Amino acid sequence: DTEVTQTPKHLVMGMTNKKSLKCEQHMGHRAMYWYKQKAKKPPELMFVYSYEKLSINESVPSRFSPECPNSSLLNLHLHALQPEDSALYLCASSQGGLRREGPDTQYFGPGTRLTVL
Amino acid sequence: QQQVKQSPQSLIVQKGGISIINCAYENTAFDYFPWYQQFPGKGPALLIAIRPDVSEKKEGRFTISFNKSAKQFSLHIMDSQPGDSATYFCAASRDRGSTLGRLYFGRGTQLTVWP
Repeated sequence: DTEVTQTPKHLVMGMTNKKSLKCEQHMGHRAMYWYKQKAKKPPELMFVYSYEKLSINESVPSRFSPECPNSSLLNLHLHALQPEDSALYLCASSQGGLRREGPDTQYFGPGTRLTVL
Repeated sequence: QQQVKQSPQSLIVQKGGISIINCAYENTAFDYFPWYQQFPGKGPALLIAIRPDVSEKKEGRFTISFNKSAKQFSLHIMDSQPGDSATYFCAASRDRGSTLGRLYFGRGTQLTVWP
């Protein structure tokens, strides 16, 4: 099973709202990723967690706040977003670590379509 | 600076034809090259991947050709079908010896297969 689940599928929020995106995987992966994808563009890396520690932050504005409560869950907390933040937000996971079997293939979830009004 | 260059941006192929998408990279430290397929409103799905120690990998109608000296790789879709209409992304990563396989994506190719 290579399934990554994301909730909600769609989210509409105002610029003053606070909301959270959730991601879950049960593949025993120790690396989890947040990407932002605009229409007709490739996914753009935002954050990476490795063994529940923030490993990469691609200079993302502080209105996006990631959280990794445990090895299976990844959240993205949203606050005071701008209309230009409207996009498809993708979560991915991979085995991670040096002792993994094979390449560190990333498996993506279906995404959350976010609209900021 | 874009680490992986992909062409063409869009491709229209007749049903039964061959679709070819090309990618090039500069960083010789890259050692893992996956291709992802993405349908509208869905997340990217791994299609096929290759390491530079082989020159070709085939899975069903999908083949990756790899030219290490030219630092180029390509995806060939044989007998293209309307259901193959999607956006295809090539990617590259430094995999061996890395704790994370961070992906560098090409800009994507929108493939349309006409019935």
